Amino acid sequence: AQSVTQLGSHVSVSEGALVLLRCNYSSSVPPYLFWYVQYPNQGLQLLLKYTSAATLVKGINGFEAEFKKSETSFHLTKPSAHMSDAAEYFCAVSDFSGGSNYKLTFGKGTLLTVNP
Amino acid sequence: DVKVTQSSRYLVKRTGEKVFLECVQDMDHENMFWYRQDPGLGLRLIYFSYDVKMKEKGDIPEGYSVSREKKERFSLILESASTNQTSMYLCASTKHWVHTGELFFGEGSRLTVL
Repeated sequence: AQSVTQLGSHVSVSEGALVLLRCNYSSSVPPYLFWYVQYPNQGLQLLLKYTSAATLVKGINGFEAEFKKSETSFHLTKPSAHMSDAAEYFCAVSDFSGGSNYKLTFGKGTLLTVNP
Repeated sequence: DVKVTQSSRYLVKRTGEKVFLECVQDMDHENMFWYRQDPGLGLRLIYFSYDVKMKEKGDIPEGYSVSREKKERFSLILESASTNQTSMYLCASTKHWVHTGELFFGEGSRLTVL
């Protein structure tokens, strides 16, 4: 089965600093990869997705992620953090194991704190 | 806008009670899901359904069952609640195959079992 590892359960940055949230995946086939964001007391919403087109994917709110097959990574970045970016971020991979194409497997999440 | 509505935001139940968590979506989605979210563990799939009356077990189905009698409604049932089922429960739905990634989530139901 596919799996996702998010390095760092908590990342803290200053407002205006670079945001880098790390995600590595394991997959025996070309994966589809996603980042979701969860603001406090809300459900998750899709930030961006990679589906085998361009390796650099742009999402909402100025976020982007780059698919690197050689490194099995899909790190999320934003050049300049804003206070409103404080949230929990989840990396996810489509799970094609066992013939099922219905499931997304999520990482454990990274809580982003933005300091003024 | 797509809307996924979970009937209860907060519930407190006692050990052994039967608990129903309801989820309704208004966008004619075929696929619906129940996840459990716990700190440090991320989201774990309990059950999913790709059509009315169809269901498949996810990664942690033990202690749970589901019902999908109508396309728009997917219910999660805890037959006999236990304290280790205290958690946040998230419902989600999608129109297409999941690999397109656009899961739409409800706001969650936080269940406390005493």
